[in-house]
Amino acid sequence: DAGITQSPRHKVTETGTPVTLRCHQTENHRYMYWYRQDPGHGLRLIHYSYGVKDTDKGEVSDGYSVSRSKTEDFLLTLESATSSQTSVYFCAINGQGFYNEQFFGPGTRLTVL
Amino acid sequence: AQSVAQPEDQVNVAEGNPLTVKCTYSVSGNPYLFWYVQYPNRGLQFLLKYITGDNLVKGSYGFEAEFNKSQTSFHLKKPSALVSDSALYFCAVSSVSNFGNEKLTFGTGTRLTIIP
Repeated sequence: DAGITQSPRHKVTETGTPVTLRCHQTENHRYMYWYRQDPGHGLRLIHYSYGVKDTDKGEVSDGYSVSRSKTEDFLLTLESATSSQTSVYFCAINGQGFYNEQFFGPGTRLTVL
Repeated sequence: AQSVAQPEDQVNVAEGNPLTVKCTYSVSGNPYLFWYVQYPNRGLQFLLKYITGDNLVKGSYGFEAEFNKSQTSFHLKKPSALVSDSALYFCAVSSVSNFGNEKLTFGTGTRLTIIP
């Protein structure tokens, strides 16, 4: 899957706890993205990164933060998890910029009780 | 704001028959359109894209898509369906962020089931 791994693959947590999801790539791609997938909504962009330490918000960024301290890793943090953040989270990368397809990781299924 | 609509949540097709998965879009300016497929418990995989040029775009696994500017549509097609084509299909439209990279807006997805 294009050299992208996500960890953990599954996580169950309780409301109010912090959670960090990790995306790791071996492709040296510049652009990285975090999406969430929910039935009836498709995939929605949470945050993206256009370089080390450079990030911006997507359409559903409330309650999420991200960090990228090195090219290969992009972390997504839920500061205080809520049940509405139960979802499947996908990381994607794009090395060529505009007009080019994104490559997706295998996903992390997060359940917030 | 740009958007994509996939009007059918579910499409059922008999094996060997042609299939169509519908997508319409709304953008200001030129549309840049993509189709992705998701198999169970997997991430999305790129199928094909339209940037410019021929209205009929060919992609992976025998799929093709027809771009129709007047109808603002980008329907996914295949002449003869296989059981292995059963999956969730997403249409997406691209825009450029303030930092020069692409951002995708996805449709809600269409579940395609091929009946043996």
